[in-house]
Amino acid sequence: QSVLTQPPSVSGAPGQRVTISCTGSSSNIGAGYDVHWYQQLPGTAPKLLIYGNSNRPSGVPDRFSGSKSATSASLAITGLQAEDEADYYCQSYDSSLSGWVFGGGTKLTVL
Amino acid sequence: EVQLVESGGGLVQPGGSLRLSCAASGFTFSSYDMHWVRQATGKGLEWVSAIGAAGDTYYPGSVKGRFTISRENAKNSLYLQMNSLRAEDTAVYYCARFDTSSWYSKWGQGNLVTVSS
Repeated sequence: QSVLTQPPSVSGAPGQRVTISCTGSSSNIGAGYDVHWYQQLPGTAPKLLIYGNSNRPSGVPDRFSGSKSATSASLAITGLQAEDEADYYCQSYDSSLSGWVFGGGTKLTVL
Repeated sequence: EVQLVESGGGLVQPGGSLRLSCAASGFTFSSYDMHWVRQATGKGLEWVSAIGAAGDTYYPGSVKGRFTISRENAKNSLYLQMNSLRAEDTAVYYCARFDTSSWYSKWGQGNLVTVSS
């Protein structure tokens, strides 16, 4: 069981909007620690997608956006494209564990 | 261009040891915290160890006392010494640059470690 909870899978048709949730607790997201998101394409290393809850690194399309509130965070992808099909992970810090934690990952399928 | 290249993985018997290396280039290695993150086949990401720019180290309970992270700034290199390996340590191990004490900005390509008899 991951400390941060994500849905195992989401799907959407090309052009649609999808969201991926990341639910934590008072010892991580709720404690004020930032949430970051990674995209992992099949057979490759993870890549930073969103940092500091809602910031996009250079080169990441503005179709990707992040938000955070209370004890949860969300990743939204608009104008879905076939190349977005990947696994997505949220990450934060947990003060009870004194360590960095990930969500279990969400597999995005583009129909 | 920032590059992280892992090496040293392979097959090891339960109870054995292995040392992973990560060669960094394209940035001022000594200024950054560095982490190891692993991923078992078909599973999610798991933080394995961290070392600060000042050399302070951190581990989760699952590897504490068995794994040791270290760095050699003169060689722009990060290491992970893994002892008393178990079947559940089987995974792809990634080295990652850690920015602003919060997120992983760059990842290596990963190195497979298989613990099996």
